[in-house]
Amino acid sequence: AQSVTQPDIHITVSEGASLELRCNYSYGATPYLFWYVQSPGQGLQLLLKYFSGDTLVQGIKGFEAEFKRSQSSFNLRKPSVHWSDAAEYFCAVGEDTGNQFYFGTGTSLTVIP
Amino acid sequence: GAVVSQHPSRVICKSGTSVKIECRSLDFQATTMFWYRQFPKQSLMLMATSNEGSKATYEQGVEKDKFLINHASLTLSTLTVTSAHPEDSSFYICSARKLRLGTAPREQYFGPGTRLTVT
Repeated sequence: AQSVTQPDIHITVSEGASLELRCNYSYGATPYLFWYVQSPGQGLQLLLKYFSGDTLVQGIKGFEAEFKRSQSSFNLRKPSVHWSDAAEYFCAVGEDTGNQFYFGTGTSLTVIP
Repeated sequence: GAVVSQHPSRVICKSGTSVKIECRSLDFQATTMFWYRQFPKQSLMLMATSNEGSKATYEQGVEKDKFLINHASLTLSTLTVTSAHPEDSSFYICSARKLRLGTAPREQYFGPGTRLTVT
C-alpha cells in the first residue's frame, strides 16, 4: 500500500541554521513527490515537486529537495532558515494513474531567534 | 497561474443546519476536484473525489448522505454538510486538477480552506 512517512513530528531550529525535513514513501511505481507548507489557518502552498529528471529540485522560498530512489526518500532542505518559515510542512506522493494523493502526517517547524 | 478559491473562509452554524462550501478554480478548468478534511494538528484526509458531470467518489468511512458533493461545472464544486453536528467542525480544504490532455503529471492545486464550526 502507498504511504508517506514524516518521522519528525516537530522540529525546532534557530534562525539562520540549516534545515532538513525527512520524508519517506512507499509506492510501487514512479512516484510524483510534493512538498507543501501550511501556515496556521491557511491552505496548502506548493513548495516544490518532483516528477522526473534531475533528482535535486529547487522550489520557492529557497527550499530544495532531493529524490533518492534507493532510499525511498524525498527530504526537504533549506540552508538558512528564516523566522517566517515557521509552519507545518507536508510531504505527499501522487499516483501516476488515478487521483490519489497520499499525505504524510506533517512536520511542525518552530524557528527560534 | 492556478488559483483555487473557497467560500466562505469561515462559517459558524447551529447544530442541525446545513452548510454549503464552494470551491472554484479561478483561472483554469478542473476535470477533477477533491475534498479534504483536516483535524487540528493532523494531516489531510481525503473525503471524496468529484468529477464534473458525474457522481462523486467517496472514501471509505465518509457518509455520502451527510457530505453532499456537486461538481456542476469545470470550475465549481460544492460540499454541503447536511444536518451538521459539533463533530463535523473541522477545516475543509478543496483541491483541483487541471483539464489536461496527454500524460501530464497529476498535480493538485489547493484552496485556502474553510473553517467550519458547529455550535
